Amino acid sequence: AQSVAQPEDQVNVAEGNPLTVKCTYSVSGNPYLFWYVQYPNRGLQFLLKYITGDNLVKGSYGFEAEFNKSQTSFHLKKPSALVSDSALYFCAVRPKGTNDYKLSFGAGTTVTVRA
Amino acid sequence: EPEVTQTPSHQVTQMGQEVILRCVPISNHLYFYWYRQILGQKVEFLVSFYNNEISEKSEIFDDQFSVERPDGSNFTLKIRSTKLEDSAMYFCATTGRDTDTQYFGPGTRLTVL
Repeated sequence: AQSVAQPEDQVNVAEGNPLTVKCTYSVSGNPYLFWYVQYPNRGLQFLLKYITGDNLVKGSYGFEAEFNKSQTSFHLKKPSALVSDSALYFCAVRPKGTNDYKLSFGAGTTVTVRA
Repeated sequence: EPEVTQTPSHQVTQMGQEVILRCVPISNHLYFYWYRQILGQKVEFLVSFYNNEISEKSEIFDDQFSVERPDGSNFTLKIRSTKLEDSAMYFCATTGRDTDTQYFGPGTRLTVL
């Protein structure tokens, strides 16, 4: 069975500062990893994914994430946060190379970027 | 950019009543999913659907739940006799031939009284 841990319920940063949202995962075999963002009263929006290849993945809105196999982590980063990045962020995982397509989500991290 | 849509956005129902939640997938998408998120909890997988049949379902998806694609476009989730604990946000997700990325709808908030 796969699982995701997001150790921080909340992350608070000042606008212009770097933003990091942490994620660690557990899965049998190799993982497919995803980040989604949820704005108030909206659905989950896909940000980026790691499937294979370069460990540093770039996604929407200037976000990137680094896959670290030895630490089983997939932290989300943005070099310079904006107030509009304030939202709920979810990390998700599923196993690679299987017909198990369901995503397992973390509990989510609320990001607040103050002006 | 194509989007997954869901209706209604909010449904209030009495315990024991049947509800049908609707999803319109992105055109040409082939794989369909339902997830739910109880307030304050994780997003949980309910069921996946491909080629007009259930591919996988979680233990949450018991006999009270069913899914179908009645007209080749809409993808529905039916709860036959709602319970208080069914109150949650229900998300539909779809993928195309790139089965890696699931695109989610805005969700239906179900409130069971």
